[in-house]
Amino acid sequence: AQSVTQPDIHITVSEGASLELRCNYSYGATPYLFWYVQSPGQGLQLLLKYFSGDTLVQGIKGFEAEFKRSQSSFNLRKPSVHWSDAAEYFCAVGALYGNKLVFGAGTILRVKS
Amino acid sequence: DVKVTQSSRYLVKRTGEKVFLECVQDMDHENMFWYRQDPGLGLRLIYFSYDVKMKEKGDIPEGYSVSREKKERFSLILESASTNQTSMYLCASRPPVRFSNQPQHFGDGTRLSIL
Repeated sequence: AQSVTQPDIHITVSEGASLELRCNYSYGATPYLFWYVQSPGQGLQLLLKYFSGDTLVQGIKGFEAEFKRSQSSFNLRKPSVHWSDAAEYFCAVGALYGNKLVFGAGTILRVKS
Repeated sequence: DVKVTQSSRYLVKRTGEKVFLECVQDMDHENMFWYRQDPGLGLRLIYFSYDVKMKEKGDIPEGYSVSREKKERFSLILESASTNQTSMYLCASRPPVRFSNQPQHFGDGTRLSIL
């Protein structure tokens, strides 16, 4: 069965510190992977996506993610967190030529000053 | 930029009422989706539509139906609302699957409370 696991429900980091949000997936075919961010009261905004090529992908707002097939992981990173990054982050996986996405449960990021 | 608009940000209804949630997109996308978002569960797909009058069940369709009479509009219907349908509902759209590298674009959500 297809699934996405985000092991951390909450993460708190200091402003200016580095960030890594973990995502592990289980998928039978070649995965198409996404990270979305949701600010309070808002919909989901796409941060980045991966479907082929370079396994390190760059996204908006200074985020990047690395696809590791051997570990079935797609972790999100940012070298220096800003207070405005406080939000909920969702990892999702789908088929390259499919419509459905499977989402993780989300990780809530808190940023302390 | 793609614009996905959900008609209501907040909605309060009573048990047993028929509830309509509306979603409109402005990019001529074939595919539209309705998700339900609950804390600790992420987003779960209720229904999606890949063309006018075409629909397919998602993972949690029970208690819901959908309507797509025009390409830009996708409605989610709660036939007889119940308290366990209190949730955040998100609509999304995307181009056809042949444009495989295009993601889903989301609306701002409707927070629905059933009393």
